[in-house]
Amino acid sequence: DQQVKQNSPSLSVQEGRISILNCDYTNSMFDYFLWYKKYPAEGPTFLISISSIKDKNEDGRFTVFLNKSAKHLSLHIVPSQPGDSAVYFCAASGKTSGSRLTFGEGTQLTVNP
Amino acid sequence: KAGVTQTPRYLIKTRGQQVTLSCSPISGHRSVSWYQQTPGQGLQFLFEYFSETQRNKGNFPGRFSGRQFSNSRSEMNVSTLELGDSALYLCASRPRAGAGNEQFFGPGTRLTVL
Repeated sequence: DQQVKQNSPSLSVQEGRISILNCDYTNSMFDYFLWYKKYPAEGPTFLISISSIKDKNEDGRFTVFLNKSAKHLSLHIVPSQPGDSAVYFCAASGKTSGSRLTFGEGTQLTVNP
Repeated sequence: KAGVTQTPRYLIKTRGQQVTLSCSPISGHRSVSWYQQTPGQGLQFLFEYFSETQRNKGNFPGRFSGRQFSNSRSEMNVSTLELGDSALYLCASRPRAGAGNEQFFGPGTRLTVL
């Protein structure tokens, strides 16, 4: 049972444009969501998070939107840069799962110069 | 502040052997979690330790175990290795246990079982 799903395995955008990565979840007990970026042979790097009491959180070029009724979150990167090319994972946790992060399958973002 | 460190970075073992992986969390972080990443299953939670106590456990067989020391460093052990245990093992630390706070990952240990 995949509780967190990233339906797009890959996304390609031009440098300077917006990248939008999507994530859906099924467990209504999830109340904290995170995005991580991962380069090959490295561990995931934390990017940004959002609590279920909010619907938007911004940090520089990164903005996460949460739509609780649709059980959907998205990560916007504006403007996209070639160095953003990596695999992006969304993850979720909740009161019943405690510290456990449930990850999506990841989306490979490629930003073309 | 130094990040999460894991040793060794790479390891090759044969079936039936056992292996111990080590993780040093960010200074001041008391919670350590372990994850397994494989191409087929993605990132899967193994367990979390806080104050030397296992707080949470994923759906892995008993061959996978761990412990945490008083300085918050953690080890995980896999006994009777199987080919399917080949994976990237990631350690993550956070300041405190429970949900609602970010976990910071180390570079991982790449385990290959032959």
